[in-house]
Amino acid sequence: DTGVSQNPRHKITKRGQNVTFRCDPISEHNRLYWYRQTLGQGPEFLTYFQNEAQLEKSRLLSDRFSAERPKGSFSTLEIQRTEQGDSAMYLCASSRSTTSDSPLHFGNGTRLTVT
Amino acid sequence: SQQGEEDPQALSIQEGENATMNCSYKTSINNLQWYRQNSGRGLVHLILIRSNEREKHSGRLRVTLDTSKKSSSLLITASRAADTASYFCATAYGSWGKLQFGAGTQVVVTP
Repeated sequence: DTGVSQNPRHKITKRGQNVTFRCDPISEHNRLYWYRQTLGQGPEFLTYFQNEAQLEKSRLLSDRFSAERPKGSFSTLEIQRTEQGDSAMYLCASSRSTTSDSPLHFGNGTRLTVT
Repeated sequence: SQQGEEDPQALSIQEGENATMNCSYKTSINNLQWYRQNSGRGLVHLILIRSNEREKHSGRLRVTLDTSKKSSSLLITASRAADTASYFCATAYGSWGKLQFGAGTQVVVTP
C-alpha cells in the first residue's frame, strides 16, 4: 500500500491560465474522489469515479472544471480559465469497496494559488 | 452546505487531559466517520460507526452515535502533543454513501 499520490504538491498560476492536477490512487481501489478544501473548512465533495465512470458531480464543479479517469487508474482534474476563487487545496481520495463502509484514503493534496 | 457541524471549533488542552468534540448532522445516514488532518496534509481515517451502532472504541478513541438526536461525539483519552490536529466528522448517506464533511475542530495539545 503505497498510498494515494498527488502531483504537484503546490501550483501557483495567474488568473485565466489552465491547470491540471494528477492523482494516483491505491492500486486496488476502484473508487476515486476529488474534494476541495479552503482554509478553516472541511473538504467539499467535487466528483467521484467508480472505475472509469464518473458517477456524480457536485454543483460546485462548474463548466471550467473537468475530471477524467481513463482506464480506471489515475485521475486528472483540470481547471480552465482559473479565477482567484479557485485558490484552495484539492484533495484526492480512493476507497476499495462499492459500499459506504469503506473508509477513504486521502492524498496530501495539491495547493492551488491563483494570483 | 455542509452536512455535519462540529463543536467546538477549537479546543486547547494539556497533555494527559481528555478531549471531547461533538458533531451534529441533518439527514439520515449510512454511517459516520471521523478523520484527522495535520497541517498541510491529507486526512487520515480514524474510526467508522454504523447507523445501527451506538458506541465504538479504537485505542484511545471512543465514538458515540445518537441517531435520534442526529449527533456523535469523539473522545480522545490521555491526549498527547502528537494529537494536535484538526478533526472532522463525515457522514455517509444516500445510495452510494456520499461522504460529506463538517468544518472541523482544531485541537491543540500542549506538553
